[in-house]
Amino acid sequence: NAGVTQTPKFQVLKTGQSMTLQCAQDMNHEYMSWYRQDPGMGLRLIHYSVGAGITDQGEVPNGYNVSRSTTEDFPLRLLSAAPSQTSVYFCASRQQDYGYTFGSGTRLTVV
Amino acid sequence: GQQVMQIPQYQHVQEGEDFTTYCNSSTTLSNIQWYKQRPGGHPVFLIQLVKSGEVKKQKRLTFQFGEAKKNSSLHITATQTTDVGTYFCAGPGRGSTLGRLYFGRGTQLTVWP
Repeated sequence: NAGVTQTPKFQVLKTGQSMTLQCAQDMNHEYMSWYRQDPGMGLRLIHYSVGAGITDQGEVPNGYNVSRSTTEDFPLRLLSAAPSQTSVYFCASRQQDYGYTFGSGTRLTVV
Repeated sequence: GQQVMQIPQYQHVQEGEDFTTYCNSSTTLSNIQWYKQRPGGHPVFLIQLVKSGEVKKQKRLTFQFGEAKKNSSLHITATQTTDVGTYFCAGPGRGSTLGRLYFGRGTQLTVWP
């Protein structure tokens, strides 16, 4: 099993550009989430999903969109990149009442 | 809203000393989870506690879940340099936020030889 696969691992964007961070899991997990991690801020939830076709906002959703058309995939779209979105992004998946499996992360820099 | 608070934010110890991080939730939790993140890495699930007063051990790590299911602790006995990293606790939401996992801000552990 590959677990949770995130692509790309590194990305540099110019302000105003858009892009999609990919996340795929092969464990048939119901729940998937996107977090961003900034120094001293811990893990902040952007969006999450409890199943295909169901998404909801976390604590920092502005500037990001998600969709969950399949159980396996949960892409995160940056609509118009801003320097404040420079961060490390983690995708994670789990079954209800179990722990998260995290992807290895995407390090995004917006210049 | 639901919150999970964790202290201390930083802890520096000499190798061989013990370490404890504490986690408190604003609401009763159905379970509490602990994760470890090595520098430059991603969080890795360590353990889940479910029962009131539960205590679980993993080698030198001891995890406790409070009687009221609102607090938890992670204790490391005789730290080693391999214990370096950030330790997070997390608890699930309830009702309409059941799909969410609320993370504490983590305790960053530094161990010097």
